[in-house]
Amino acid sequence: EPEVTQTPSHQVTQMGQEVILRCVPISNHLYFYWYRQILGQKVEFLVSFYNNEISEKSEIFDDQFSVERPDGSNFTLKIRSTKLEDSAMYFCASSVGTPRVNTQYFGPGTRLTVL
Amino acid sequence: GENVEQHPSTLSVQEGDSAVIKCTYSDSASNYFPWYKQELGKRPQLIIDIRSNVGEKKDQRIAVTLNKTAKHFSLHITETQPEDSAVYFCAASAPNTGNQFYFGTGTSLTVIP
Repeated sequence: EPEVTQTPSHQVTQMGQEVILRCVPISNHLYFYWYRQILGQKVEFLVSFYNNEISEKSEIFDDQFSVERPDGSNFTLKIRSTKLEDSAMYFCASSVGTPRVNTQYFGPGTRLTVL
Repeated sequence: GENVEQHPSTLSVQEGDSAVIKCTYSDSASNYFPWYKQELGKRPQLIIDIRSNVGEKKDQRIAVTLNKTAKHFSLHITETQPEDSAVYFCAASAPNTGNQFYFGTGTSLTVIP
């Protein structure tokens, strides 16, 4: 069964550094998402992406964040200048169509630790 | 924006008993409510969902009920098994923020053999 994959599984970085988290959505899916989960807290929506552009973003997704689909398979989340409070688990997800009608499939997550 | 509250945060039941997890939401426009199960070290997986035109939905041992008036929805697991042990998340979304899911804080369910 196809799965969403994410790399790396764990990323450690220094405060102020840029990080890129990578995701490979399921191949025939058209909608892509990033979520984050700070330890012990709820899963929070960051951004959704469709047709090569952001379709929705939350208040968390400020100018420090950007997403890109650089080729036909990868979907990336970039954090320009990491802060301590960016430490969290970041989940990528994808769905074949709109998420309210079609199942969102989650990746295994990337644990980001900012020191 | 939407605020989803989930209770309890932890739940232990004996194998074979039922488990109930409750969520409340604040935005009356929300009309889609999925539930996700996340086993330890694994990714969240959709297990059941309900839309606001339905009051209850059942899939084998899992059921979800929705009370639009009270703005709460619940997950019911009957005849629990050890493999049901996981963290369960509820979520809500509204048409005006269709791609944005608001999640609850999760319930860690332990089924004791």
